[in-house]
Amino acid sequence: AQSVTQLGSHVSVSEGALVLLRCNYSSSVPPYLFWYVQYPNQGLQLLLKYTTGATLVKGINGFEAEFKKSETSFHLTKPSAHMSDAAEYFCAVKGGGYQKVTFGTGTKLQVIP
Amino acid sequence: DVKVTQSSRYLVKRTGEKVFLECVQDMDHENMFWYRQDPGLGLRLIYFSYDVKMKEKGDIPEGYSVSREKKERFSLILESASTNQTSMYLCASSSAQGVYEQYFGPGTRLTVT
Repeated sequence: AQSVTQLGSHVSVSEGALVLLRCNYSSSVPPYLFWYVQYPNQGLQLLLKYTTGATLVKGINGFEAEFKKSETSFHLTKPSAHMSDAAEYFCAVKGGGYQKVTFGTGTKLQVIP
Repeated sequence: DVKVTQSSRYLVKRTGEKVFLECVQDMDHENMFWYRQDPGLGLRLIYFSYDVKMKEKGDIPEGYSVSREKKERFSLILESASTNQTSMYLCASSSAQGVYEQYFGPGTRLTVT
């Protein structure tokens, strides 16, 4: 079985401040991990993914995430928030040969000017 | 550029109507998925298909059925729409090779009155 927990359904940051969105997962096998972003009235778009190898993963729009196996975490960060980062962010995990991906409940990011 | 399209962005139906939501992908992907998205609940998997004419129930299949007669097309059917099926419906596809990252359509916001 696999699951994802996103801490904080809403996060507010000031423009230019650090963005940190938290994600913890559980998986009985080494996981594939994903972060997706959803802008208002749109579908989800892949931000970045972890499969194997380097634990620090860089994605689009200046985001990155670090896979920490000991903490079962995959937190998303961006050094400096921009107004255009305001969106909802979903963490997701895929474990094992089963092709299903499990999504977290999402975190809405608000960027304050 | 990869593309997943959904037949309608907005749909309003009456209780008891039969509703068809269509999804088409142009990436020759083996896997296709239907999710519903509700505030605070994230994405919940309704059904997925890993091949033509093949389907598997997801987490919340009750009240829904699906059809996949061609590889590129995956339809979600609400046999008798009810008000509790008012939601955003998202279609996604993924390859059966590699990482299984999913590509999403823009979504259909369905209102059942």
